[in-house]
Amino acid sequence: EVQLVESGGGLVQPGGSLRLSCAASGFTFSSYWMHWVRQAPGKGLLWVSRISSDGSTTSYADSVKGRFTISRDNAKNTLYLQMNSLRAEDTAVYYCATSPSTADCQWGQGTLVTVSS
Amino acid sequence: EIVLTQSPGTLSLSPGERATLSCRASQSVSSSHLAWYQQKPGQAPRFLIYGASSRATGIPDRFSGSGSGTDFTLTISRLEPEDFAVYYCQQYGTSPLTFGGGTKVEIK
Repeated sequence: EVQLVESGGGLVQPGGSLRLSCAASGFTFSSYWMHWVRQAPGKGLLWVSRISSDGSTTSYADSVKGRFTISRDNAKNTLYLQMNSLRAEDTAVYYCATSPSTADCQWGQGTLVTVSS
Repeated sequence: EIVLTQSPGTLSLSPGERATLSCRASQSVSSSHLAWYQQKPGQAPRFLIYGASSRATGIPDRFSGSGSGTDFTLTISRLEPEDFAVYYCQQYGTSPLTFGGGTKVEIK
């Protein structure tokens, strides 16, 4: 069974840092581009970042560029999102997902990040 | 950045009726790299359609997608009770990837 499980969310003060993880199982993780998408409370979906299957290519939304870093460890089947200089507006549920370019795109259940003093 | 505008914002329909949701892009979506998702409260989005018109694995055939260029449509041929939810379109052909603001399909 394909599974993506996010972890690492929690409460952090403005200006703080957090690292999210996404553990993948049930598919060949190293073959897939991966994405992070977030959803602020009561709001719509916002794409955050993506990384190529081998980790060599990354891209980011303007709102997180320079503050967030996406990475992956294919040996551990794990995707990461390092989030620095966090702001109140980064408060959201963060989802990891495989690429929407194939029939078997999968999303995790999400992890909540709350940025507040 | 490609802006996706979804309409209507809310669609009020009865079970068994046909739902037609629109997604319009501010510029052409390359290679019809357009996806649709369904989301229910407290749940992660569910992947429905990719490539504008191809159904994802396990998606019932009452869901269909169409369109190209800047105009795309998601059609639900006969609404089932479990189909009442929020629907999002997404373009994944050009970075940054973008989502539409969503259409809520509610029970009339």
